[in-house]
This record gives sequence, structure tokens and C-alpha cells, in this order.
Amino acid sequence: GIQVEQSPPDLILQEGANSTLRCNFSDSVNNLQWFHQNPWGQLINLFYIPSGTKQNGRLSATTVATERYSLLYISSSQTTDSGVYFCAGNNAGNMLTFGGGTRLMVKP
Amino acid sequence: DAGVTQSPTHLIKTRGQHVTLRCSPISGHKSVSWYQQVLGQGPQFIFQYYEKEERGRGNFPDRFSARQFPNYSSELNVNALLLGDSALYLCASSPGPSSRGQYFGPGTRLTVT
Repeated sequence: GIQVEQSPPDLILQEGANSTLRCNFSDSVNNLQWFHQNPWGQLINLFYIPSGTKQNGRLSATTVATERYSLLYISSSQTTDSGVYFCAGNNAGNMLTFGGGTRLMVKP
Repeated sequence: DAGVTQSPTHLIKTRGQHVTLRCSPISGHKSVSWYQQVLGQGPQFIFQYYEKEERGRGNFPDRFSARQFPNYSSELNVNALLLGDSALYLCASSPGPSSRGQYFGPGTRLTVT
């Protein structure tokens, strides 16, 4: 199976700051997703992005499949953005392999 | 439309006991996958079921088993519980076996004492 690595593991931001989270994967993927896990454990879908760029409000994501990485951009961060961000991918079936996550804390 | 639902939300069991966790997928979704998330780590794949058949299995012991019912809901069973089985168990649904994106339920938090 594929290996997924995320960086940085921890990130502290002041409210209003921008940030970039990175996800590297070891092999080609045909399903790359970004999730936000809230403090109650709910995994919330942010993006399905096996390639290209997508934007949703203050969040955007870019996947460069040929170079095996994906980036999640958070602009004008808010305290409600705090939590853990996971990327996950697979190359067959629905077996997602998750990275270790980036733990984000946004301070007011 | 209702999202993925899981029950119970929390559970406390003793070592050696058995547990059954339940999941109902999003309406119209036929594939259910189970993941285990230990504190501080990303979720790990346990099983995938599609049309009541097992389509994938992660690296978990035979104490873990699952099944899917005709209405596409699913149960995860764990026998002979160990302390290390304490985790958040997440269920995800998708329309088919290799779908564009999976959608997760709120999870069941299992504590084994």
C-alpha cells in the first residue's frame, strides 16, 4: 500500500494568519482527500482532489499527482479552524491510507 | 439527508469481553468501510464491505469481524477485547466499491478497562 506523510505535525497560528499544510504520498493515487477532524472526532470532508486545484471559501487545495504531493491552504485563519487535518489516499478500492495529521491551533 | 450514523457513541468494556458496533450509511450508498483511530494517530483501515461482501481487509487480527446487511448497514464485532483495542471506531460510506470520496460518521469511542 501507499505511504502518506504530512507536515508539519503541529502548527500554531494567530487568528488571521495564512498557512500551508503538505501531504506527500509514496505512489500514485486515484483518490486523494483532505479531512478536518473536529475536537469531537468527526471527520469532515474538505476536498476530494486526486489532481489539480480546488477552492472552497478560505480553503483551497492543490495536488500535483506526478510529483506525489498535495497542499492545503488556509487563508485568514479563524479559531474554528483548529483541529487536526488529515490527508488520505488510495490506489485501489476504498482502503484509504491516512497520514499522521497536522494539529492546528488558531489563537484569538 | 441524514449522514452516516453510528451507535453507540461511547462504550466502556472490560478486557476479554465482546463488543458490537453499528453503522448506517448515507441513503443510496452501498459500500461501508471501518477504521480504527488510536489516540494521536490517523485512522487505520479495518474492513470494506460492498453489497454484503467483504472487499478489503486491513492488518487486524481475526478477533475483528464485520458484516453488512441487505439494507447496507453494517456491524463491526471485536472479540476477546484487549486494552489496545481502546480507540475511536469510524465508519465511512460511499456509493460504490471504488468511489470518489468517502464520508465518515461521528464514530464510536470504545474504552477497554
